[in-house]
Amino acid sequence: DTGVSQDPRHKITKRGQNVTFRCDPISEHNRLYWYRQTLGQGPEFLTYFQNEAQLEKSRLLSDRFSAERPKGSFSTLEIQRTEQGDSAMYLCASSLDNYEQYFGPGTRLTVT
Amino acid sequence: AQKITQTQPGMFVQEKEAVTLDCTYDTSDQSYGLFWYKQPSSGEMIFLIYQGSYDEQNATEGRYSLNFQKARKSANLVISASQLGDSAMYFCAMRGRGPNDYKLSFGAGTTVTVRA
Repeated sequence: DTGVSQDPRHKITKRGQNVTFRCDPISEHNRLYWYRQTLGQGPEFLTYFQNEAQLEKSRLLSDRFSAERPKGSFSTLEIQRTEQGDSAMYLCASSLDNYEQYFGPGTRLTVT
Repeated sequence: AQKITQTQPGMFVQEKEAVTLDCTYDTSDQSYGLFWYKQPSSGEMIFLIYQGSYDEQNATEGRYSLNFQKARKSANLVISASQLGDSAMYFCAMRGRGPNDYKLSFGAGTTVTVRA
């Protein structure tokens, strides 16, 4: 039984570029979450999917951010026109219904 | 709204000794769940232990136990017999237990360093 996987693990990009991250949840999990973690802080909720439906977006998610989960399997998080303030660890988690959330290894984004 | 407070930014513990990590919380929910996660330097958040607000007994998982004091709104994590591999960041988190409660709210974390 494989865990949550994320790709890439690290991404360095120049300000203004677009980036896309991928998350593959645990296969039988119907719920998928994205969180953002800045240095020295705990993760903060970004968005949530139940199957393919995106049910909530945090106010942290500006219009430059978009997330999808086609077919209710993997998910992508895209950031357009990146800014230095977007530099953070982006964590994906999945769960079966409302049970424990299991996290992936994260994608560390550095915007130069 | 839910709020988690972890007041210890960093702690040192000697190998084989026990360590207690503090966590206090604030919520208006009647039913909620409390979680502890471990984050090593690799970045992955590892689920450790869960306590439901209506659970009568404190949760235990191997060397981890949760000292739950509902009236004080505290959910401290106790790690017994510390090992070098326990060196990591530890986060306390909570969420409601209703069908529409899914967001975890995290504290700022406590860094634990285990000394040989």
